[in-house]
Amino acid sequence: EIVLTQSPGTLSLSPGERATLSCRASQSVSSSYLAWYQRKPGQAPRLLIYGTSNRATGIPDRFSGSGSGTDFTLTISRLEPEDFAVYYCQQHGVLSREVTFGPGTKVEIK
Amino acid sequence: QVQLQQSGPGLVKPSQTLSLTCAISGDSVFSNTAGWNWIRQSPSRGLEWLGRTYYRSKWYHEYAVSVNSRITINPDTSKNQFSLQLNSVTPEDTAVYFCARDVSMRFDFWGQGTLVAVSS
Repeated sequence: EIVLTQSPGTLSLSPGERATLSCRASQSVSSSYLAWYQRKPGQAPRLLIYGTSNRATGIPDRFSGSGSGTDFTLTISRLEPEDFAVYYCQQHGVLSREVTFGPGTKVEIK
Repeated sequence: QVQLQQSGPGLVKPSQTLSLTCAISGDSVFSNTAGWNWIRQSPSRGLEWLGRTYYRSKWYHEYAVSVNSRITINPDTSKNQFSLQLNSVTPEDTAVYFCARDVSMRFDFWGQGTLVAVSS
């Protein structure tokens, strides 16, 4: 099973600042199958990024994704008040057919 | 717009079977491009994918190793929905359960979530 580790655990920032979130895999992940989600309290996760760098429908362009191999990054260029939430990365193993999620990074208001 | 509506009990006794249903609107359980998944989240285990069913000329099922011996995910083609059955539950199975659609293993539509507690 591929284990995903996210850092930092908590990111304290102010609106307007840039957020950089890291997702590291225990072994190489296909870039086609790396996704990011946003979760707010009481809501289901929301797909933000798929295939490492593709924004999902309706996602603003301040969200961007990058990376390859074992290291992936989600960047929020300028934080809006509605962006304070928990963010999860997720991968799908091409050979193992299993899905794993990272433990999440909480982006909180400083 | 795809919508997924979950239903099922919020309390299950230890050793019994957890059963949830997810009704699909705006898509078909027979979709040749989508898969139909169950995912849960708990403080101790985080987000955990449990399994999926999908149709590609015939029905396929894939389950997480962690629950493989206890889980069944089945389509209900007459009602355009799918279900989760998890047998022999313990308090460790207490979680918020979500159904979700996947396209190429990204989860683009989710149900509203159901908190299921395992307790006597």
